Amino acid sequence: DTAVSQTPKYLVTQMGNDKSIKCEQNLGHDTMYWYKQDSKKFLKIMFSYNNKELIINETVPNRFSPKSPDKAHLNLHINSLELGDSAVYFCASSQGTGRTFGGELFFGEGSRLTVL
Amino acid sequence: QQPVQSPQAVILREGEDAVINCSSSKALYSVHWYRQKHGEAPVFLMILLKGGEQKGHEKISASFNEKKQQSSLYLTASQLSYSGTYFCGTDKGSASKIIFGSGTRLSIRP
Repeated sequence: DTAVSQTPKYLVTQMGNDKSIKCEQNLGHDTMYWYKQDSKKFLKIMFSYNNKELIINETVPNRFSPKSPDKAHLNLHINSLELGDSAVYFCASSQGTGRTFGGELFFGEGSRLTVL
Repeated sequence: QQPVQSPQAVILREGEDAVINCSSSKALYSVHWYRQKHGEAPVFLMILLKGGEQKGHEKISASFNEKKQQSSLYLTASQLSYSGTYFCGTDKGSASKIIFGSGTRLSIRP
């Protein structure tokens, strides 16, 4: 079984469209994340959820809306896609938060979004 | 806030050693190291917690100097499988997030 799974792996879409990426983890972790990796390979955190509660929002445009229906799932919806949104989006999970954090991040395989 | 990694890229012959450095301008609680192969997800290598410890993972080890807010990753007798981009990630302990450096691309030649 894949520990952290994302769907879809590839999205190609036109500017202005809306798209969603889904993420599920079966590790029993409390915390899930979305990271964005651009063409220069910078890995930048976007959001973090702990037990369905948003705890980190790294000044991401409000066109990006994460949702966590339960602690095993974290989805990302993107409205009005722009060219600059093209990137690989990684979902990750970990056990613990704050001072208890010290656990490794388990990454999904990534979802490559191409906006034309 | 993003940690600074150096060098940006390294080319080695199989069997050679390499050191990758990571430094932060902020006080750190922990440093994480990850390796990402082309087209794949980053994979965890090790975590070093506040306390100046050193850790090892086969022929890959790392140190963490909390006073200098620096960490170094040591790769000895490099193998072809070590190729990839290495990221350090820093955690200040006040929020549950890891901020990654810009990465160091390591290429190993036979």
